[in-house]
Amino acid sequence: DADVTQTPRNRITKTGKRIMLECSQTKGHDRMYWYRQDPGLGLRLIYYSFDVKDINKGEISDGYSVSRQAQAKFSLSLESAIPNQTALYFCATSDIQGRREQFFGPGTRLTVL
Amino acid sequence: DQQVKQNSPSLSVQEGRISILNCDYTNSMFDYFLWYKKYPAEGPTFLISISSIKDKNEDGRFTVFLNKSAKHLSLHIVPSQPGDSAVYFCAASGGGAGNQFYFGTGTSLTVIP
Repeated sequence: DADVTQTPRNRITKTGKRIMLECSQTKGHDRMYWYRQDPGLGLRLIYYSFDVKDINKGEISDGYSVSRQAQAKFSLSLESAIPNQTALYFCATSDIQGRREQFFGPGTRLTVL
Repeated sequence: DQQVKQNSPSLSVQEGRISILNCDYTNSMFDYFLWYKKYPAEGPTFLISISSIKDKNEDGRFTVFLNKSAKHLSLHIVPSQPGDSAVYFCAASGGGAGNQFYFGTGTSLTVIP
């Protein structure tokens, strides 16, 4: 079983709809992240959380919100989706100690029409 | 402003030869650098990292070189294999970046059998 899972894997929605992307991990890591990938722009950080009570904005948080329901779960919400939020979204985790590498989920492809 | 840049969107190399992927950064406070590999329909996976106190780190066929004065790092793959064909992202963190990671735009490597 995958250590970091994301649901749904693909989603098509319409402008103005509320969307939630979910992330679960079994790695026991405290740190969790949400990124989006756009062609030509690489991965950009949306939000990150270092524990259940800690939420931090990343580089591009406008239009997004997050919820850390438990150590293992970190959800990303688009309250009112717009077409330029069409992208590939990745959840990632990392440990407090160690080499700082992140472990990524398989991604969610979101299309906003 | 892109703090981590990969100026070559793509690279093709013959099997058995060396692949060299390059990455430049602008923030002199970055103190930790990572390379990730990404296959289609999968999340990025960690490949190799280097701390700013070193100028070289080697792991099997993969070597990362860091030139702090030039704010440049490179990933060498020797010998290249067809299974190395993927998109490679460099990432940086530390210092003024806080706990955030900044990713480059990626280089698509094709290893020709």
